[in-house]
Amino acid sequence: NAGVTQTPKFQVLKTGQSMTLQCAQDMNHEYMSWYRQDPGMGLRLIHYSVGAGITDQGEVPNGYNVSRSTTEDFPLRLLSAAPSQTSVYFCASSSGQAGSNEQFFGPGTRLTVL
Amino acid sequence: AQRVTQPEKLLSVFKGAPVELKCNYSYSGSPELFWYVQYSRQRLQLLLRHISRESIKGFTADLNKGETSFHLKKPFAQEEDSAMYYCALSGGLHGNKLVFGAGTILRVKS
Repeated sequence: NAGVTQTPKFQVLKTGQSMTLQCAQDMNHEYMSWYRQDPGMGLRLIHYSVGAGITDQGEVPNGYNVSRSTTEDFPLRLLSAAPSQTSVYFCASSSGQAGSNEQFFGPGTRLTVL
Repeated sequence: AQRVTQPEKLLSVFKGAPVELKCNYSYSGSPELFWYVQYSRQRLQLLLRHISRESIKGFTADLNKGETSFHLKKPFAQEEDSAMYYCALSGGLHGNKLVFGAGTILRVKS
């Protein structure tokens, strides 16, 4: 199993550009989520999904869109990048079963917006 | 509101010394508490959870509901323990949503 994979590993964007961060998992997990990691702020939840076709907002959703058309994939879209979105982005998945809330994280995508 | 507080940004100890990483939380229900660790150049991974009440790599953490704390402890620090440690809370309707603290960098000096 590859676990949770993310692409790209690094990305530099100019203000106003759009892009999609890819996330995939091969563990048949129902629950997937996106976090951003910023110094002094820990990880903050952007969006999450409890299953294919179902998504919801987390703590910091503004400027980001998600969709969940399959169980495996959960892409994160930046429609118009801003410097405030410079961060490290982590995708995570978990089985969603009661008593099994361990989340498995991807390696992260380091995004810089100029 | 759910909140996790890790008061120390950096904790520096000598090898062999005891370690305590502090974590306090606020949550109105019965939360699940976790410690996640991120070693240099590695992905974030689960270290331990309060439900399992086990010791991982010599670390333990006890949930104290009276003090709303979940401090991470290890009696003798090792250099390979140097990493970023995050305390996290899960609760509410979607139990898989995690609220993280700001993190504490642990540096173990030789």
